[in-house]
Amino acid sequence: GAVVSQHPSRVICKSGTSVKIECRSLDFQATTMFWYRQFPKQSLMLMATSNEGSKATYEQGVEKDKFLINHASLTLSTLTVTSAHPEDSSFYICSARDNRAGNTIYFGEGSWLTVV
Amino acid sequence: AQSVTQLGSHVSVSEGALVLLRCNYSSSVPPYLFWYVQYPNQGLQLLLKYTTGATLVKGINGFEAEFKKSETSFHLTKPSAHMSDAAEYFCAVSDQSGNQFYFGTGTSLTVIP
Repeated sequence: GAVVSQHPSRVICKSGTSVKIECRSLDFQATTMFWYRQFPKQSLMLMATSNEGSKATYEQGVEKDKFLINHASLTLSTLTVTSAHPEDSSFYICSARDNRAGNTIYFGEGSWLTVV
Repeated sequence: AQSVTQLGSHVSVSEGALVLLRCNYSSSVPPYLFWYVQYPNQGLQLLLKYTTGATLVKGINGFEAEFKKSETSFHLTKPSAHMSDAAEYFCAVSDQSGNQFYFGTGTSLTVIP
């Protein structure tokens, strides 16, 4: 079946640095990918919709200059957390839409970010 | 606009007992409905989905859910709980374009030996 891969699965970075998380669709092309953030014991919050070849669409309240999204190819979207702070520590999950399969959405395994 | 309400943030059942996780949705258009499971320290795994057709949907690991339009519900059930079913379960709704998912706040399932 379709697989979406995220890398890294866990990352620790220092405050003030930037960290990049990759989301890849391994066996299908995805013109649209989504980035979610999950706070402890809470549901997933959609951060932005990433469209291949164009600018991402950010949800209200999400700082686009802080969470940079690039969708340069049909199989790769990246989320860069810039100037990370401890409050950015969270679980980030991406998903990709497989247009071949009735718009089925497949989720990545998530990336744990800890900012120290 | 779509939204999802999951009643009960925590559900405990005995091993072998019926599992019932509730999900109600709100949608201005015919919805697509999903149940996802999240095991500790892992991402989301699709359990089952309803798009069109048969309203009783069977998923993986013995789970099933029934779309009831009149009740705007999509409750998840499993006849007999296993210890391995302990996880967080999320109900989600999207429109038919799949442009955006709306998740419920999740239900944590505990299975008691």
